Amino acid sequence: SQTIHQWPATLVQPVGSPLSLECTVEGTSNPNLYWYRQAAGRGLQLLFYSVGIGQISSEVPQNLSASRPQDRQFILSSKKLLLSDSGFYLCAWSSQTGGGEKLFFGSGTQLSVL
Amino acid sequence: DQQVKQNSPSLSVQEGRISILNCDYTNSMFDYFLWYKKYPAEGPTFLISISSIKDKNEDGRFTVFLNKSAKHLSLHIVPSQPGDSAVYFCAASAHGDYKLSFGAGTTVTVRA
Repeated sequence: SQTIHQWPATLVQPVGSPLSLECTVEGTSNPNLYWYRQAAGRGLQLLFYSVGIGQISSEVPQNLSASRPQDRQFILSSKKLLLSDSGFYLCAWSSQTGGGEKLFFGSGTQLSVL
Repeated sequence: DQQVKQNSPSLSVQEGRISILNCDYTNSMFDYFLWYKKYPAEGPTFLISISSIKDKNEDGRFTVFLNKSAKHLSLHIVPSQPGDSAVYFCAASAHGDYKLSFGAGTTVTVRA
């Protein structure tokens, strides 16, 4: 069966520090990978998605970047965190069907930028 | 621009009664709709879905209704149980699009 791992679960970082969140998927190949963010009291905002190694689509211009160095690995990064980067970050995957996507989410990372 | 809207941020219902969650969308290209359930500090889990060729899908206590002409869908939970207390997200996608657009969520509280 497929599983998705996301770490760390919680992170407290000072403003201006770098960020690296990692996500890996097991039990499937060539998945679509996604990074979403849930800000306090708000819905799920799509940040990045990837349909293959090295292929990254950005949905919202911001202080963050994403990379997919391996088929089942997705990394969310920042060189310098802002206060507004605080939120609950979710990694997700779906199968490559090109329609009727059902996303499967990781357990999330609660990021607090102080 | 929010293409999927959940206008009720919260809902309180007594245990055993029906919970009705509503969702509206603006993009006429959406043809697949999903509901997710989320507990605090956890990732959302898939609950139920419906494609645009149907107007109803049922799975146990959960039923989703789709009204394409009104661009509206709803989730019915009958009977509501304490474990149903969570945030529910409505989501939608268009054919050929790898992305899901989510609503802002509705927090359901089931009272004993």
